[in-house]
Amino acid sequence: DTEVTQTPKHLVMGMTNKKSLKCEQHMGHRAMYWYKQKAKKPPELMFVYSYEKLSINESVPSRFSPECPNSSLLNLHLHALQPEDSALYLCASSSRLGGGTETQYFGPGTRLLVL
Amino acid sequence: AQSVTQLGSHVSVSEGALVLLRCNYSSSVPPYLFWYVQYPNQGLQLLLKYTSAATLVKGINDFEAEFKKSETSFHLTKPSAHMSDAAEYFCAVISNFGNEKLTFGTGTRLTIIP
Repeated sequence: DTEVTQTPKHLVMGMTNKKSLKCEQHMGHRAMYWYKQKAKKPPELMFVYSYEKLSINESVPSRFSPECPNSSLLNLHLHALQPEDSALYLCASSSRLGGGTETQYFGPGTRLLVL
Repeated sequence: AQSVTQLGSHVSVSEGALVLLRCNYSSSVPPYLFWYVQYPNQGLQLLLKYTSAATLVKGINDFEAEFKKSETSFHLTKPSAHMSDAAEYFCAVISNFGNEKLTFGTGTRLTIIP
């Protein structure tokens, strides 16, 4: 099973709301990723977790707060977002970091609209 | 820094015709290259990857790509297009080996003409 699941599929939130995106994988992968994809653009890396520790933060604003509570779960907490944060948020996982050969498996994404 | 360039933001081919999507890479070291496909309103699915084991890489759904160092290219091909191939295709390179950072090209939208 190479499935990465993401919930919710769609989310509409106001600029004062707090919400969370959830990602789950049961492949035993120890690396997990958050990407942001604007319409008609390629995905851009936001965060990388390795063995539940944050490995990369691509200078993402603090209104995005990732959390990796265990090896199967990855959350993205959202607070005080701006309309320009509206995008498709993709989660991915791979067996590990290092070497450049590991395949990243992507979830279907959460489509976020900030009003 | 490693990067990829996809030539042609839109490609249209007739059903049954050859599909050719172009990707050129820029890398100071041997690159690790990937092709992903994204169907409408879905996540990304790996088609194939090059990790220096063989220059001709075969992937899913009859797609293949050839790594050509002399041309710094990794073009994606399929002998006969099917309607279900209509999607967005992204070429990508690992740009940070320690952290598996994927850097994507700008994408090519493939349209299949019946």
